[in-house]
Amino acid sequence: SQQGEEDPQALSIQEGENATMNCSYKTSINNLQWYRQNSGRGLVHLILIRSNEREKHSGRLRVTLDTSKKSSSLLITASRAADTASYFCATALGGTSYGKLTFGQGTILTVHP
Amino acid sequence: GAVVSQHPSWVICKSGTSVKIECRSLDFQATTMFWYRQFPKQSLMLMATSNEGSKATYEQGVEKDKFLINHASLTLSTLTVTSAHPEDSSFYICSARRAENNSPLHFGNGTRLTVT
Repeated sequence: SQQGEEDPQALSIQEGENATMNCSYKTSINNLQWYRQNSGRGLVHLILIRSNEREKHSGRLRVTLDTSKKSSSLLITASRAADTASYFCATALGGTSYGKLTFGQGTILTVHP
Repeated sequence: GAVVSQHPSWVICKSGTSVKIECRSLDFQATTMFWYRQFPKQSLMLMATSNEGSKATYEQGVEKDKFLINHASLTLSTLTVTSAHPEDSSFYICSARRAENNSPLHFGNGTRLTVT
């Protein structure tokens, strides 16, 4: 069953601004991942944060994880028009369920030039 | 370059016919592949887990006789939508991973299925 909830559902900003997307989940996890999807295309893996990590950076991306609140956030700094896409969080269990992802509902990000 | 290839990228078929979608890992052996379905403006829902050489494990609510999965080799899994109906129209995406723990997942580019 789908356990991730994301907000906002849609976000519209100007180029150069920061974009923050939030994700909440319900069960214990091994890791949480963020993906990007351009319209009608497959998924691009952005970043993975493990359950024992609190913050991770990759280029203009910053991800936080609060396991006590079962929530994560993705911050894209200095956004560009090319960042326009849908962004999904996905939670993963460990062990034999590794690789089996449960996706959030996604945030549609539009960056206006 | 793409490490997981999905084919076809789009297909249109008539009601009642069957459609086969292929998912190939191009430069690694994928012991496990996953099949997802995504309806327009919605998230991805896991349909089944495909393990090489064994039967697929289907998620609750997914009809195994309708969505046939075959993972006959370490580089290929196929999803066959049998007796397709318009409500099966969707975006189907596969992902694959290596056998090693914590190996990354790689997603295919998806297949847009339209049943008329």
